[in-house]
Amino acid sequence: EVQLVESGGVVVQPGGSLRLSCAASGFTFDDYTMHWVRQAPGKGLEWVSLISWDGGSTYYADSVKGRFTISRDNSKNSLYLQMNSLRTEDTALYYCAKDSRSGTTVTDSFDYWGQGTLVTVSS
Amino acid sequence: DIQMTQSPSTLSASVGDRVTITCRASQSISSWLAWYQQKPGKAPKLLIYKASSLESGVPSRFSGSGSGTEFTLTISSLQPDDFATYYCQHRWTFGQGTKVEIK
Repeated sequence: EVQLVESGGVVVQPGGSLRLSCAASGFTFDDYTMHWVRQAPGKGLEWVSLISWDGGSTYYADSVKGRFTISRDNSKNSLYLQMNSLRTEDTALYYCAKDSRSGTTVTDSFDYWGQGTLVTVSS
Repeated sequence: DIQMTQSPSTLSASVGDRVTITCRASQSISSWLAWYQQKPGKAPKLLIYKASSLESGVPSRFSGSGSGTEFTLTISSLQPDDFATYYCQHRWTFGQGTKVEIK
């Protein structure tokens, strides 16, 4: 059974930093591109970032480019999101999501999602 | 960047109704479209991929159609478990969502 479990969400002040983690199991982690998708309270879904199966390619939404860094450790089946210079508008539930296709960063769909970890940016 | 626009934003329907949600792309995306269902407090769930392929385990009352710039998600007979918000997605872009409410 595929499982994605996020952690690391807390309340942080504007300008602060935070690192989110996602522990994956139930599939061959290093075959798949992985994503972070966020959802602000009462709002829709916003894609944040992706990292290719080997960590060699990363992409970011314009809203987080230069502030967030995605990474992975395939030996630990783990995905990370380093979040710096946090803003109030970064307040959201952050989901880790698995790409449905192996061996490509050309995303078709997201077939498994974690339950999310809540990041609140507030003074 | 390609924009995805869903309509309507909210839909009121009764159990047993046939429900259709539309998603339009700002330019042709071939059949690269997926649909998700999200219930309050839960993660999104993949329903349809490649515009019309039903994800494993999803009830057959859900169907998707379309290509190019216009796509539809149809629920043939709305069930109590189907009241939720639905999103379309192309690559890294989501539609704004359609909330299906009880009439």
